[in-house]
Amino acid sequence: QKEVEQDPGPLSVPEGAIVSLNCTYSNSAFQYFMWYRQYSRKGPELLMYTYSSGNKEDGRFTAQVDKSSKYISLFIRDSQPSDSATYLCAMRGYGGATNKLIFGTGTLLAVQP
Amino acid sequence: DSGVTQTPKHLITATGQRVTLRCSPRSGDLSVYWYQQSLDQGLQFLIQYYNGEERAKGNILERFSAQQFPDLHSELNLSSLELGDSALYFCASSVVGGTSGYNEQFFGPGTRLTVL
Repeated sequence: QKEVEQDPGPLSVPEGAIVSLNCTYSNSAFQYFMWYRQYSRKGPELLMYTYSSGNKEDGRFTAQVDKSSKYISLFIRDSQPSDSATYLCAMRGYGGATNKLIFGTGTLLAVQP
Repeated sequence: DSGVTQTPKHLITATGQRVTLRCSPRSGDLSVYWYQQSLDQGLQFLIQYYNGEERAKGNILERFSAQQFPDLHSELNLSSLELGDSALYFCASSVVGGTSGYNEQFFGPGTRLTVL
């Protein structure tokens, strides 16, 4: 079983829809939770990060972490065609000698105009 | 543009060959990470260097090796290449290597390796 599971999609929605992307994980030591966006043939870029449980909002994007359920979500409001990309969740523990990230496999999102 | 550069962008080679991928971190970043992205496995952590020293190893094959030089650029060497090594290889950098606080990793554009 992988440490981080993510539905690969693809997910196709009409412009203006609310999008929900999710990941589950098994390692209770994870404390930092990140969402990266990756456009085709580009490197991942950080969208948001959250420490421990709770919600974080940034414009049209909201990240939620539920550590009790080992479940994280990214919501995109008023989705735009420019949001079409692969969304990767990533996680790491707290402290320690390394900052390595454990990624989900990514969800491919297509927003139709 | 993240400030992380990788060369070459594309690499096509044959099975059994050896290649070297190069990464220059963002100015001021001391830590470099290598990740492999394949269709079925997603982004997998390979190895991390911090200020020239190996800090952590992930699922890196023995045929693969890396190093970080005094000017902080890093190279990933892949040898005895197999068809299954075809993937995108990303380098990322961060200011520090391991910390109790958040420490963003900035990713380069990647090198696409095709092994024929």
